[in-house]
Amino acid sequence: LAKTTQPISMDSYEGQEVNITCSHNNIATNDYITWYQQFPSQGPRFIIQGYKTKVTNEVASLFIPADRKSSTLSLPRVSLSDTAVYYCLVGYPGTYKYIFGTGTRLKVLA
Amino acid sequence: DAGITQSPRHKVTETGTPVTLRCHQTENHRYMYWYRQDPGHGLRLIHYSYGVKDTDKGEVSDGYSVSRSKTEDFLLTLESATSSQTSVYFCAIRSREGNEQYFGPGTRLTVT
Repeated sequence: LAKTTQPISMDSYEGQEVNITCSHNNIATNDYITWYQQFPSQGPRFIIQGYKTKVTNEVASLFIPADRKSSTLSLPRVSLSDTAVYYCLVGYPGTYKYIFGTGTRLKVLA
Repeated sequence: DAGITQSPRHKVTETGTPVTLRCHQTENHRYMYWYRQDPGHGLRLIHYSYGVKDTDKGEVSDGYSVSRSKTEDFLLTLESATSSQTSVYFCAIRSREGNEQYFGPGTRLTVT
């Protein structure tokens, strides 16, 4: 079964780059790895997804090594509004099931 | 918001009573999911559906059942509610294009 782990929490200062890594073994080989942001009392919100190597959009980058046993979300120049919990989401092999990572609570300090 | 609504948004019920939560979508997505979120446990998959009348179990399916009789509605039923099922329940749909999931606003359920 897929298993995912993330650091429980991270602190950063405004303007810094933040990297959050999710470790995942035995994930679906033909499915995307997706990252979400969640604020209190809200549902998770899609940030970025990728299949391999590097993907960049207007808010983040995602790095996935060739073995796909981990993925790293990179947030450039964080601001106070980026304070939230960040989750990775991966698929189980051979199913339509998905499992969330344990979540990383990011606190951005002024 | 991908046209997802959940009802009710808040519910308080007593132990032993059946409860049904509804997820409704307006964009004809094939895949729908029910998750629960508890402090210290993140989001855990309860059940999911990959089409009308096609459902399967997730990580924490004991005590829950689901039904999907039409594309737009995915119902989650707690057959006999227990205090351990006090949680926030999120419904999600999956976009066919990129596999990303979009979440509803959540239902806060309290079982007393």
